[in-house]
Amino acid sequence: DAKTTQPTSMDCAEGRAANLPCNHSTISGNEYVYWYRQIHSQGPQYIIHGLKNNETNEMASLIITEDRKSSTLILPHATLRDTAMYYCIVRSRLSNDYKLSFGAGTTVTVRA
Amino acid sequence: GAGVSQSPRYKVAKRGQDVALRCDPISGHVSLFWYQQALGQGPEFLTYFQNEAQLDKSGLPSDRFFAERPEGSVSTLKIQRTQQEDSAVYLCASSLGRDRGSSGYTFGSGTRLTVV
Repeated sequence: DAKTTQPTSMDCAEGRAANLPCNHSTISGNEYVYWYRQIHSQGPQYIIHGLKNNETNEMASLIITEDRKSSTLILPHATLRDTAMYYCIVRSRLSNDYKLSFGAGTTVTVRA
Repeated sequence: GAGVSQSPRYKVAKRGQDVALRCDPISGHVSLFWYQQALGQGPEFLTYFQNEAQLDKSGLPSDRFFAERPEGSVSTLKIQRTQQEDSAVYLCASSLGRDRGSSGYTFGSGTRLTVV
């Protein structure tokens, strides 16, 4: 059973913010939300993760709803190099849960 | 090294041939993972090492797949008697420790295996 659902694809304009939604309605209190992206011909790259508070780093911001059933990854100023597959992953905070379960992801295309 | 290095970058094998894929993790990283990514799909977990111990091999699709990490650093994924369905990108990832919800794994660029 898929733990997350994401739109199949989305386009965004270069220089604008890109907002990537993810639904995880069955998330438990012990589970983090992780985001990875995969640029063509490269391995997945960690972006950000969070439990219940909003998080920000040099790459992106993660907004998690109060009920934790959905989240949004925000790329504040999208560039052409942000064109990639983006994966939203739910993962337990327990130390014995080390696997990443990648779903179908969202293909993001940034257009000039 | 600065990142996870995988070799070869591309491999073409004839059906029935054995192949060996190499992964050099980041120096000092305890945990090492192998994933398989079929065309148009997300990566799927294959196996996990903590140092030299293979703690989980539940994702290996058949007994033709074998992985080792004898000295707790470099790892090799071996596929015997390759079949066309083995065609995929094989990704290696490493992390410093048990990764208890920390910043995530570092992936290599993968080896693209094509079985003809």
